[in-house]
Amino acid sequence: NAGVTQTPKFQVLKTGQSMTLQCAQDMNHEYMSWYRQDPGMGLRLIHYSVGAGITDQGEVPNGYNVSRSTTEDFPLRLLSAAPSQTSVYFCASSYRNPPPSGRAKFNEQFFGPGTRLTVL
Amino acid sequence: DQQVKQNSPSLSVQEGRISILNCDYTNSMFDYFLWYKKYPAEGPTFLISISSIKDKNEDGRFTVFLNKSAKHLSLHIVPSQPGDSAVYFCAVDSREGAQKLVFGQGTRLTINP
Repeated sequence: NAGVTQTPKFQVLKTGQSMTLQCAQDMNHEYMSWYRQDPGMGLRLIHYSVGAGITDQGEVPNGYNVSRSTTEDFPLRLLSAAPSQTSVYFCASSYRNPPPSGRAKFNEQFFGPGTRLTVL
Repeated sequence: DQQVKQNSPSLSVQEGRISILNCDYTNSMFDYFLWYKKYPAEGPTFLISISSIKDKNEDGRFTVFLNKSAKHLSLHIVPSQPGDSAVYFCAVDSREGAQKLVFGQGTRLTINP
């Protein structure tokens, strides 16, 4: 299994530009989420999804859109980038319900390697 | 207003000794508590968790303690090894399986040989 993959690894944008951060997982996890990590603030939840076609807002959703058309993919869209969105973005996935025996602990979220985004 | 606080940004421990990382939370409604470990340029990886119905959970060299009355969580690593050098995040959830984690700021642990 590749686990959780994220592309790109690095991105520089100008203010006002749009882009999509890609996230994919091959573990058939129902639950997927996006976090951002800023210095001194830990990780904060942006949006999450409990299954294909279902998304909801997290702690810091403003300026971001998501959709979940398949179980595997959960892209994060920035419609008009702002310098305040400079951050490291992590995608995560997990089982929504207790997993088959031996496959991860319940509530264990698997994180991707992150995308470092700079908005000038 | 941070709901989860790790007041020590960094900690340095001698190899073989015990490492103790601390975490405080403000909301007594939190029901499930986790620790994640993060190496540079990688995503966090799950380490250990504990439900609010317990006060201790062990997994090999790692033990998590929960003091609900003090709203305090700690992670003990015994013995500490050089590979344990990383940033450790505590995280809380409203209930087991809710999957809406609130993270602390992290503590950078350095294990000295």
